[in-house]
Amino acid sequence: GAVVSQHPSRVICKSGTSVKIECRSLDFQATTMFWYRQFPKQSLMLMATSNEGSKATYEQGVEKDKFLINHASLTLSTLTVTSAHPEDSSFYICSAFPLSYEQYFGPGTRLTVT
Amino acid sequence: AQKVTQAQTEISVVEKEDVTLDCVYETRDTTYYLFWYKQPPSGELVFLIRRNSFDEQNEISGRYSWNFQKSTSSFNFTITASQVVDSAVYFCALSEANYQLIWGAGTKLIIKP
Repeated sequence: GAVVSQHPSRVICKSGTSVKIECRSLDFQATTMFWYRQFPKQSLMLMATSNEGSKATYEQGVEKDKFLINHASLTLSTLTVTSAHPEDSSFYICSAFPLSYEQYFGPGTRLTVT
Repeated sequence: AQKVTQAQTEISVVEKEDVTLDCVYETRDTTYYLFWYKQPPSGELVFLIRRNSFDEQNEISGRYSWNFQKSTSSFNFTITASQVVDSAVYFCALSEANYQLIWGAGTKLIIKP
């Protein structure tokens, strides 16, 4: 099956710093990627839709200047959490969407901001 | 508006018991997809099944089975002879024409030895 990787799997950073999370589709091209965040004991919340070569579409309530998304190629999308604060601590999951109804999920990145 | 409801927040059963996880959805589209995912403690989502709206056949895969009923807008998931390794959070999700997934709140399944 299709494989999506995320890097890093776990990151701890200090408040005020920026963190970049990479999402790669390893064996297929993904014109669309999605970024989700998941708080403990909660469901996944869609943050934004990332389309290759164009600006990301952010969901209501998600600050685009804080969560920068770049989908520069058909196999890579990055999410940068700028000026991170403790409330940004969460589990971030990406998914890649080739050209079907099925999304392939990355293993997730656990961000802890101290 | 689209919506997915998993009314069971947490279910706890003893190993070898059968257990059914409920999922009720709302959509105005005639074409849609329904999914079940498993999320073990590691956090990585495991795809279990995808069913399109035109296929109401029930599906069985080993100890897992799914009952899709459009009349009641339900897509329930049954694990037969549960095992400790089945312990996880299970999510039901709906996808419409824009391909975005609408997620249920999840059901935490605890299988006791």
